[in-house]
Formats: sequence, structure tokens, C-alpha cells
Amino acid sequence: KAGVTQTPRYLIKTRGQQVTLSCSPISGHRSVSWYQQTPGQGLQFLFEYFSETQRNKGNFPGRFSGRQFSNSRSEMNVSTLELGDSALYLCASSRAQVTDTQYFGPGTRLTVL
Amino acid sequence: AQKVTQAQTEISVVEKEDVTLDCVYETRDTTYYLFWYKQPPSGELVFLIRRNSFDEQNEISGRYSWNFQKSTSSFNFTITASQVVDSAVYFCALSEAWVGDSNYQLIWGAGTKLIIKP
Repeated sequence: KAGVTQTPRYLIKTRGQQVTLSCSPISGHRSVSWYQQTPGQGLQFLFEYFSETQRNKGNFPGRFSGRQFSNSRSEMNVSTLELGDSALYLCASSRAQVTDTQYFGPGTRLTVL
Repeated sequence: AQKVTQAQTEISVVEKEDVTLDCVYETRDTTYYLFWYKQPPSGELVFLIRRNSFDEQNEISGRYSWNFQKSTSSFNFTITASQVVDSAVYFCALSEAWVGDSNYQLIWGAGTKLIIKP
């Protein structure tokens, strides 16, 4: 079974721009979660989608948004980029339930200049 | 409130030594799951183990073993005969059944950076 894939793997943007990251979950998995990881803040939960609906959202500003498609693929968007948005963005998929194991993709490393 | 504490920020050992990574958790729920993940320098989080709160049996997988003790709310991870390839950041995480899927998120520890020196 193919694992979770994320594209692109690396991205360099400038302040004020916007960015879209993509995540394809493991086949059969319907839940997709997004995390931001920075050296100072550790792993922080962004949001989780199930069956095209956002079920939960972390404490991030409205500049961070996401969506999920009918095939469970997900995208996250960050508008008006700030220097502090530089981070590793990780996507994880799981079957459906809150207690199912999450499997992670390789991440997208975003650098904002 | 739910919380996961990994008090060891960084551990450095020489190859072939045994090393234990500590994880202490707090939860109000009686049904919960604990996880360990490994993050090598490449960045991808690799799933290692999932354990539910009703199964207190220790788990062994090759050089890896896990000790789950509800009495002390701990889920410690031991690597026997460590190797350089074990160098990574290791995360412990908790999920609680009572919060329901609408509040779903894993509660993560801060991670322990493990350095294995040749």
C-alpha cells in the first residue's frame, strides 16, 4: 500500500504571498490531519478533515485554511505569508476514528523570505 | 486536562548501550490510546506503536520494547543495543476516546532527541 504523499517537498516563498500544499492519504483512509512543526513550538495541530468536513481546528489564524476532496485528498492554504510561517508542514491520514493510528507523510518544508 | 510529558529533552549514548525514553501522560478518560513515533533527520514521522489503555502487557519488537504502567501513567520506550540509525527525535502521543471525533486531535509530547554515537 502506498503511504501518505505530500507535494511539494520544498517551497520557498516571500512575505505576503500565498501557498497551497497538497496531501494524498493512504488508500481507504478518510481522515486527514495537518500539523505545523517548528523548532520553537514543536508539533502543533492545524486542522482535521473527514468526509470533506472539517471536524476540528487548532489555534491558528484564519490565514490558514484547508479542504478535503471527495477522494479524501486534502489541501491546505496559507495566505499572506509571514516569516513565522516557515516550518515543516506534516500531513497524516487515518482510517476514521479519533483513536486510529495516524500515518504521516514526508512533509513540506516551507521557507518564507 | 490531558497532557503528555517527555522530560528528557536530549539523550546521548554510545552505540550498543541500552537507552530508555520516558513518557508520562495525564488523562481523565478510562479509554485512551498511547503512541510512539520516530522522526529521523529526514523529517517524516514514523509510527512505532499504538497501545490501548486496557492492555498493560509489555510489548517487544526486535530491539524495541515498551513498558506501559497505568499506576504511574507512564509509557516508556527502551532501545536495546542501540545503533547509530536509531538517532532521531522520538515523540510520545495520547488520544482519548471521550472527546469524540469532532474534537479529534492527538496530544503530543515535546519529543526526546536521541543521539547515538559510534
